[in-house]
Amino acid sequence: GQSLEQPSEVTAVEGAIVQINCTYQTSGFYGLSWYQQHDGGAPTFLSYNALDGLEETGRFSSFLSRSDSYGYLLLQELQMKDSASYFCAVRDRDSGYSTLTFGKGTMLLVSP
Amino acid sequence: EPEVTQTPSHQVTQMGQEVILRCVPISNHLYFYWYRQILGQKVEFLVSFYNNEISEKSEIFDDQFSVERPDGSNFTLKIRSTKLEDSAMYFCASSVLADTQYFGPGTRLTVL
Repeated sequence: GQSLEQPSEVTAVEGAIVQINCTYQTSGFYGLSWYQQHDGGAPTFLSYNALDGLEETGRFSSFLSRSDSYGYLLLQELQMKDSASYFCAVRDRDSGYSTLTFGKGTMLLVSP
Repeated sequence: EPEVTQTPSHQVTQMGQEVILRCVPISNHLYFYWYRQILGQKVEFLVSFYNNEISEKSEIFDDQFSVERPDGSNFTLKIRSTKLEDSAMYFCASSVLADTQYFGPGTRLTVL
């Protein structure tokens, strides 16, 4: 079956850069997604990587290395509103084409 | 910007009762999903729906659960006989392709 590992908690200060790592074990990997969730609200889509490399969207970037089964989310110029939980999620052949399997999430705490 | 909507936002029910959770996916989307999140835990996939039929379902989605697209806009999740352990936040999601899934605000189900 699949497994995803990400740190449970990361702390940083406003204006800093933080990287949240995600390693996964799957069969028939399709892609890795990142979602942000504030206080049990709706998971909000941030990015999707199917191919190796870096995808940049504003202050957020996501990286994937398929050979290393590893990805990360990079948040730059941190703001207080970035305090939230961040989940990596994989799509793979074992779970099914349309299924997202989520990691346990990383709680990011941004302090002044 | 179009978004997924869900009703009700909070549902309280007695154990053994049937509940129907409702969702209106984004209008041009083709895939529809239900996920759940027990308080403090990760988001878990329940079922995906494409072309008017279930495409994938998890082990959680047993005979007590069913989904329906009764008309061109609504997508429902029915739990036939609720159990205490069904208490969770239920998220509906939709997507054009399976890679980028957009989540609704959720329905908090409390089973007493």
